Amino acid sequence: GAVVSQHPSWVICKSGTSVKIECRSLDFQATTMFWYRQFPKQSLMLMATSNEGSKATYEQGVEKDKFLINHASLTLSTLTVTSAHPEDSSFYICSASWAGANTGELFFGEGSRLTVL
Amino acid sequence: AQSVAQPEDQVNVAEGNPLTVKCTYSVSGNPYLFWYVQYPNRGLQFLLKYITGDNLVKGSYGFEAEFNKSQTSFHLKKPSALVSDSALYFCAVRGLNTGGFKTIFGAGTRLFVKA
Repeated sequence: GAVVSQHPSWVICKSGTSVKIECRSLDFQATTMFWYRQFPKQSLMLMATSNEGSKATYEQGVEKDKFLINHASLTLSTLTVTSAHPEDSSFYICSASWAGANTGELFFGEGSRLTVL
Repeated sequence: AQSVAQPEDQVNVAEGNPLTVKCTYSVSGNPYLFWYVQYPNRGLQFLLKYITGDNLVKGSYGFEAEFNKSQTSFHLKKPSALVSDSALYFCAVRGLNTGGFKTIFGAGTRLFVKA
């Protein structure tokens, strides 16, 4: 149980285009999902917290208009990288937690590697 | 401010030997502590957690971790390492006053197990 699916795993796009990454909780309802960015050989940087039915909460320094997050249902959150540039190339990972589980572990998607040419 | 420190960038161990990956934390109130493992180009997988109770917690793949409140540590251990344990390990903490579901991750420690 507690499976999180992330799609696509790999994406290559041209500079200036937009890319959408999906994160789905397959066997549980995730009221809260998290989006992370990971640079090579570095830890995870929390970008935003996505709550179902409300606006995402972005971490300091993360551009809201650049990284659009939508959490329209209890099983799906999407991250759209708008007008992508080469510096946006990175490994993006989503995670989800059980509803109301402050003590619970996070369940992670497999990650999406974005390369912007 | 809450923080997690993994003092070693890399740990090398021979297969069959015991391994330890170190983690210390700083958090207000009682900590909720976690270990995750990441294989190349993959998301993180949960290994184990400490919430309350016994200081020694057992997790997946034969790993265990010991919570030490006085030393504010939560070191990951395994009695006998396998080559397949080679991966990137993250310690994480979630404190009661983080204002929600935020989890703070350490910088990660890369474990190499030699055959």
